[in-house]
Amino acid sequence: RKEVEQDPGPFNVPEGATVAFNCTYSNSASQSFFWYRQDCRKEPKLLMSVYSSGNEDGRFTAQLNRASQYISLLIRDSKLSDSATYLCVVTSNTGGFKTIFGAGTRLFVKA
Amino acid sequence: ETGVTQTPRHLVMGMTNKKSLKCEQHLGHNAMYWYKQSAKKPLELMFVYSLEERVENNSVPSRFSPECPNSSHLFLHLHTLQPEDSALYLCASSQDLPQSSYNEQFFGPGTRLTVL
Repeated sequence: RKEVEQDPGPFNVPEGATVAFNCTYSNSASQSFFWYRQDCRKEPKLLMSVYSSGNEDGRFTAQLNRASQYISLLIRDSKLSDSATYLCVVTSNTGGFKTIFGAGTRLFVKA
Repeated sequence: ETGVTQTPRHLVMGMTNKKSLKCEQHLGHNAMYWYKQSAKKPLELMFVYSLEERVENNSVPSRFSPECPNSSHLFLHLHTLQPEDSALYLCASSQDLPQSSYNEQFFGPGTRLTVL
């Protein structure tokens, strides 16, 4: 089992749609959780951190479920500019410092 | 200069060459990282430095040799690489290690390496 697994993509959605991504992680002692965004041929950039209580930033909502070991990202009212690869990132300090990236989920938003 | 910079942006080298990748961060961060991103694969963490000390080496072959002379600079020395080492090498920095709190990692643009 991969340490961090994400929904296989790509997701093709029309503008204005709501889309949700899930990510599961295997290490129950994981400490920090993030969603990064990576545009084609660009470096990853932090989209949002994911806190235990869940958090929202504009059209983006992130949730963490420690019991089931998954995190989610919800994008409402999709824009063309949301087209990118979304990376789930989990960090832990067990067995050495680790930052594990998921393989990413590709999103295409079409007009 | 802002953020994290990397040079060169593109590098083509033969298997017998020796080259170095350079990363510089202008953010006053204490932690720096090297990642490898191959096609169709997740980013792989290679090395982590905190306050110029290496804190993690994720089973990286010895043909990759990192160096952190100060908290702003990070190098990756390359020698006798293999074609399968061709990838995008990304440098990142964060204020501190994300061990007990959330620390955003800021990435450089990467060096696209091709080994012939």
